Amino acid sequence: NAGVTQTPKFQVLKTGQSMTLQCAQDMNHEYMSWYRQDPGMGLRLIHYSVGAGITDQGEVPNGYNVSRSTTEDFPLRLLSAAPSQTSVYFCASSRTAHTPGTGELFFGEGSRLTVL
Amino acid sequence: GENVEQHPSTLSVQEGDSAVIKCTYSDSASNYFPWYKQELGKGPQLIIDIRSNVGEKKDQRIAVTLNKTAKHFSLHITETQPEDSAVYFCAAKGDMRFGAGTRLTVKP
Repeated sequence: NAGVTQTPKFQVLKTGQSMTLQCAQDMNHEYMSWYRQDPGMGLRLIHYSVGAGITDQGEVPNGYNVSRSTTEDFPLRLLSAAPSQTSVYFCASSRTAHTPGTGELFFGEGSRLTVL
Repeated sequence: GENVEQHPSTLSVQEGDSAVIKCTYSDSASNYFPWYKQELGKGPQLIIDIRSNVGEKKDQRIAVTLNKTAKHFSLHITETQPEDSAVYFCAAKGDMRFGAGTRLTVKP
């Protein structure tokens, strides 16, 4: 079982360039989300989705776009990269978004992005 | 929205000692409190969680306690081992607002 797969693992961009971080899960999870991890700030939610065709903003959405055309995939797009977006990005999924009995998040291994 | 504070930010213990990490939250509606462990170069993994109708939960050397009145919950690791060295995150509520993390170092 692959779980949550993120690509690429490492990426260097120049300011103003665009790119997409890919995330795929094979667990048929309804809920998917993107976090960024910065030193001393923990994990901050960027965008999330509770199902195909549904997305919403998290705590730090500016500069990022997402879409959810299928249950499996949840790509994160940077339209015009800025040095402030240098971070480690994690994609995570969960079986359901609101069922009280299930809340565990399954994380990918992360994508380290550097914007010069 | 929910605000989660985690302390301490770093913790160093001798092998065999206990470690305690504390988190406070602000939203009284929060009802799910997980703890995640992140090893170097990997994504966080759930190690234990607790729901608001329970005051304490144990899993071998790991326990979590919840005080809903005071809005805080704690992770307790007993008989620490070097492989417990990692960054630990608490979280609250369904949208998973995380604490800033605690880097635990267990010295052999």
